[in-house]
Amino acid sequence: RKEVEQDPGPFNVPEGATVAFNCTYSNSASQSFFWYRQDCRKEPKLLMSVYSSGNEDGRFTAQLNRASQYISLLIRDSKLSDSATYLCVVNEYAGNMLTFGGGTRLMVKP
Amino acid sequence: GAGVSQSPSNKVTEKGKDVELRCDPISGHTALYWYRQRLGQGLEFLIYFQGNSAPDKSGLPSDRFSAERTGESVSTLTIQRTQQEDSAVYLCASSLLRVGPKNIQYFGAGTRLSVL
Repeated sequence: RKEVEQDPGPFNVPEGATVAFNCTYSNSASQSFFWYRQDCRKEPKLLMSVYSSGNEDGRFTAQLNRASQYISLLIRDSKLSDSATYLCVVNEYAGNMLTFGGGTRLMVKP
Repeated sequence: GAGVSQSPSNKVTEKGKDVELRCDPISGHTALYWYRQRLGQGLEFLIYFQGNSAPDKSGLPSDRFSAERTGESVSTLTIQRTQQEDSAVYLCASSLLRVGPKNIQYFGAGTRLSVL
């Protein structure tokens, strides 16, 4: 079983749609959580950290459910520029080591 | 520059040759990571350097892979006797030594390695 699991997609949605991704992690002692974005043939970049109470950044909302060990990312009013792969990332242990999920591909169509 | 710098950006080599990939982390970042990403796949952790501590080499796939880092600066990833399955993008990231939501890794643009 993978430590961080994501549906690889692709999720094909029209512009303006709301789309949600989930990610599950296996280590209940995981410390902190992130969503990274990776454009085609580019490096991953931090989209947002995920706080225990949930957090919002513009059209993006991240939620953490420790009891069920999953993290979600909600994107409202999808833009063409949101097309990318979204990586769920977990800091499993004390220290700096991050574990990356395989990513969920999003394609926003006109 | 302000970001993580990797060189070369592309490397084409013949099977059996050795290659050396370079990473310049963000100045002041004590943690440095190497990952491998095969086409259409997720990131595969290779090795982690944290300050002057012994590196975590648990992700290196074989003894053909090795990496070094001098202090808190440049790191080199060496692949000996390259095989076709080594073809991938090799990504380097660096971060400050922080935990929690501020533990953010910054990635270089990667080295795209093609083994013919």
